[in-house]
Amino acid sequence: DGGITQSPKYLFRKEGQNVTLSCEQNLNHDAMYWYRQDPGQGLRLIYYSQIVNDFQKGDIAEGYSVSREKKESFPLTVTSAQKNPTAFYLCASSGRDSNTEAFFGQGTRLTVV
Amino acid sequence: GENVEQHPSTLSVQEGDSAVIKCTYSDSASNYFPWYKQELGKGPQLIIDIRSNVGEKKDQRIAVTLNKTAKHFSLHITETQPEDSAVYFCAALIYNQGGKLIFGQGTELSVKP
Repeated sequence: DGGITQSPKYLFRKEGQNVTLSCEQNLNHDAMYWYRQDPGQGLRLIYYSQIVNDFQKGDIAEGYSVSREKKESFPLTVTSAQKNPTAFYLCASSGRDSNTEAFFGQGTRLTVV
Repeated sequence: GENVEQHPSTLSVQEGDSAVIKCTYSDSASNYFPWYKQELGKGPQLIIDIRSNVGEKKDQRIAVTLNKTAKHFSLHITETQPEDSAVYFCAALIYNQGGKLIFGQGTELSVKP
């Protein structure tokens, strides 16, 4: 069953802690993306990667870090430097050329307690 | 920088009426324009897309039009049904920026029975 999987679905973090969100895809997609969505808001790009071992900052990268050691995986770490981390986080993947669509995971809702 | 503007932010229609959502983009290098539907608490689902070499695409009750000269594209939903109620996002993919996928702010569509 092909697709893009995010885990966990819900995550609670204490202030000052780092936390890592998982994103895995078995679609053989080269490109992967992380977005943040706040209530009633659009999707803001955090980081994206077009190829293994390479990634670029999006519009709101501060306080976040990523890695792309494998094609299938693009984990996002929310660090203690992110001042307002409570949000809905969405991961997406797509092919690198113009003939493939971008698909999303079901999201991870992160809450700071 | 590059951005995507989406209007309106909310749209309420009667069942059976048509709904139109409009987006404009800033980067003329954009060449792929997907539309997503997001239901509460879920990841966005791709519903239709259009590439820059096409002016219009239709899929049953959904159609998308693209005007590259004016840099705007629109989603048209005909014969709306209550299950069409959701948040809709447009997006533009910018290949010369390493494949950056930028989203509009979203439109909350409400279809009243």
